[in-house]
Parts: sequence; structure tokens; C-alpha cells
Amino acid sequence: SQKIEQNSEALNIQEGKTATLTCNYTNYSPAYLQWYRQDPGRGPVFLLLIRENEKEKRKERLKVTFDTTLKQSLFHITASQPADSATYLCALPGTYKYIFGTGTRLKVLA
Amino acid sequence: DADVTQTPRNRITKTGKRIMLECSQTKGHDRMYWYRQDPGLGLRLIYYSFDVKDINKGEISDGYSVSRQAQAKFSLSLESAIPNQTALYFCATSDGGGTGGDQPQHFGDGTRLSIL
Repeated sequence: SQKIEQNSEALNIQEGKTATLTCNYTNYSPAYLQWYRQDPGRGPVFLLLIRENEKEKRKERLKVTFDTTLKQSLFHITASQPADSATYLCALPGTYKYIFGTGTRLKVLA
Repeated sequence: DADVTQTPRNRITKTGKRIMLECSQTKGHDRMYWYRQDPGLGLRLIYYSFDVKDINKGEISDGYSVSRQAQAKFSLSLESAIPNQTALYFCATSDGGGTGGDQPQHFGDGTRLSIL
């Protein structure tokens, strides 16, 4: 069955550094992949979509890569700030419309 | 005002009670979804609707039912609540433009439901 894996352990990094989060998938060849941000007590908010024919997508300090050979997407936040602290989810189109990863919690330390 | 509004935001109830969670949207989207979120399990799709006359089961529909009263309204019911339905419930919408599948989802802020 289709599976998405995100590192369930929290990622702590120092302010100003680049945060890199990983989304791996198996039994699957998605045409695109989405990334969302979720703050405590709030619903997920869409950040970026990357298609299978795009190796990289950027939006301000965010960068997403999509390696269909490795079946992996990397999500980077450069010059990270404490306000970037949140849980980040990846999502792929699946049998039931969307499959979400469990998310990785990022904490940026001042 | 929020584009996707869920009511109530919090609800505590007892086993066996009937509960309705409501969702309304002002985004004009045709597609609406109900998810539940549990620690360690992530978001799982309960039901989805691509228009008023289209209702589909998701991954975990047992014990739930839905009603699409209008394009802007999609409600989720638990006919007889049980404790393992305690979770955070989210409603979401998306545009159906093009193939629709690659459109971002817009989420409400959720309903925290506790069943004792």
C-alpha cells in the first residue's frame, strides 16, 4: 500500500541555520507533492506544490526538491527564524484523494 | 473572517451520544473533505464530496456519516459516539479546477472532540 514517512522526531536548529525536512514515500509514483505547515491548535496551511517534472521549487526562504528516483522530497527553510517553529506535513495524491505524512516538528532556537 | 469555519471548536460528550460537527466555507470551492488527526497517525480522510450530489467514503468512514447541505456546507455526524473517536477533526476545501487533484487544500482550525 502507499506509504509516506516523515521523521517523527522533532528537529531543533539554531536561528539563522538551514532546516531540512525529509518526506519519503513507497509503493507510489506521484505526479506531484505538497507541503503544509501546521501550528498548534490550527489547521494545516498550504505552502508549496512541486510536480514530478520539477526538480526544485522556491518560495521566499523555502525550497522544495523532488527526487522521483529516490522517492523523496526535501523541504528546506533557509535563514530560519523562531517564527518558523511548527509541524511540517507532506501530502501526496492517493487512493483517497490525499495522503498526508505524520509531520515533522521543527523548533528554531533563538 | 475565516474562509473555512468549523463549529464547535471543542466538544466533550459521552459514549453513545449523537454528535454533529459543522463546516462552512466562503471560498466558493466545490470540493470539501473531513479528516481526523491523531497523534502518530497523521491526517486520515473520513469522507469527501466533489459537489452537492457527490459523497464518497474515505479511508476511515465506519461510524461516521456526512451531509452536504449546500456548496458551502458539509457536516459530519457520529451517530453513536465511542471513545476511540476522540480526535481532532478538520474540514478542508479545494478548488476543482483542471484535474483538481493538484489544488491545495484549505483547512479550518479544527474541532477537538473528546468522548468519555
